[in-house]
Amino acid sequence: ETGVTQTPRHLVMGMTNKKSLKCEQHLGHNAMYWYKQSAKKPLELMFVYSLEERVENNSVPSRFSPECPNSSHLFLHLHTLQPEDSALYLCASSPLPLAGGMDTQYFGPGTRLTVL
Amino acid sequence: TQLLEQSPQFLSIQEGENLTVYCNSSSVFSSLQWYRQEPGEGPVLLVTVVTGGEVKKLKRLTFQFGDARKDSSLHITAAQPGDTGLYLCAGESGGGADGLTFGKGTHLIIQP
Repeated sequence: ETGVTQTPRHLVMGMTNKKSLKCEQHLGHNAMYWYKQSAKKPLELMFVYSLEERVENNSVPSRFSPECPNSSHLFLHLHTLQPEDSALYLCASSPLPLAGGMDTQYFGPGTRLTVL
Repeated sequence: TQLLEQSPQFLSIQEGENLTVYCNSSSVFSSLQWYRQEPGEGPVLLVTVVTGGEVKKLKRLTFQFGDARKDSSLHITAAQPGDTGLYLCAGESGGGADGLTFGKGTHLIIQP
């Protein structure tokens, strides 16, 4: 399989559940990202991992917990979410150019999350 | 905080018409990217513009980066129903893994 894949594609969970979103990239990239896409809002950057180290948090609530075990895999662990967390969660990867170089991000299809 | 304003927010036109959508900011970006997103899918990169004043063409789509690298436009000639989607612009402000700043997007519908 090529590109960036995400599983599951759809997820419905209660506020007390614990679930995880998975992202896998087959592009040999060194940086991976989680974005949140809500209706009527721009895509919001949540987390950035560069060479498997987290480099940006953007004040995301602690009920979202990322994990990057290697450069190809990225997880987003979810617990005690709120209904307002319902959104499309997108994973992206990029080749991580040298400083000052142009970056290009490749997105997965997203996980549509509904919190009841 | 860097913001990208996209206009119009919604646009519905007939097949064969031309259209232009805009992406504006008060901030300077080192590059600007345009994506198209279809329902149930992630954004797909269409083009990246880097140099102020740069114009890039992708078949019937023409992308322009403003001279000051603060704004961009996307012009579609003879729109087709397959052009329907959410068009997002995203700005990159620095090198490395900084993530992108996205606009809210333009929802485009091309009616047959």
